[in-house]
Amino acid sequence: GAGVSQSPSNKVTEKGKDVELRCDPISGHTALYWYRQSLGQGLEFLIYFQGNSAPDKSGLPSDRFSAERTGGSVSTLTIQRTQQEDSAVYLCAGKGGGTGELFFGEGSRLTVL
Amino acid sequence: AQKVTQAQTEISVVEKEDVTLDCVYETRDTTYYLFWYKQPPSGELVFLIRRNSFDEQNEISGRYSWNFQKSTSSFNFTITASQVVDSAVYFCALSEARLISNFGNEKLTFGTGTRLTIIP
Repeated sequence: GAGVSQSPSNKVTEKGKDVELRCDPISGHTALYWYRQSLGQGLEFLIYFQGNSAPDKSGLPSDRFSAERTGGSVSTLTIQRTQQEDSAVYLCAGKGGGTGELFFGEGSRLTVL
Repeated sequence: AQKVTQAQTEISVVEKEDVTLDCVYETRDTTYYLFWYKQPPSGELVFLIRRNSFDEQNEISGRYSWNFQKSTSSFNFTITASQVVDSAVYFCALSEARLISNFGNEKLTFGTGTRLTIIP
């Protein structure tokens, strides 16, 4: 498709399990971001990838969170040993266009029971 | 540290009324960008506008207008003659502008959003 694709759209998991969230950005967008949106909160920056540069991981809340981007395209956000406070919508965005705007996916809603 | 405050958690107006969404920001940077995004029920954030701190000229795009006032650190958003399709959560955001290019890391700091409901 033409937009940013994220999967799964919904994920329910038990506390302590690992989850993987996938982002397929728009072709040609070299910059990719992960944000987290908790209920009633704004968006919280997690991690940023730009080309072959080292990612900016400054927003990852703990070492249970990691992300990778393969081949400069698809990205996977992994949360190990999930906790209930990890429940949120995880949004992926790519950057492109003359305005430098971020193009967001519809997000992956994670619920940790 | 950067901070964006959207004091209005929820607003409801009757269709065709005008409505203004407030945004106040804090930053130590002398150059920065301000943004507004719309998040409809589908969940996908839609970019509305990006302004840099050097440009305080107000902008109008159809029924949308933005009032940037550096003196009060505000970047308010007005919808004129509101429509039901305007119902959404609107986010104001701020980023550094030290890397002013499409390849810069625009790590956005978002406000908590304002949920706007337009009543038919």
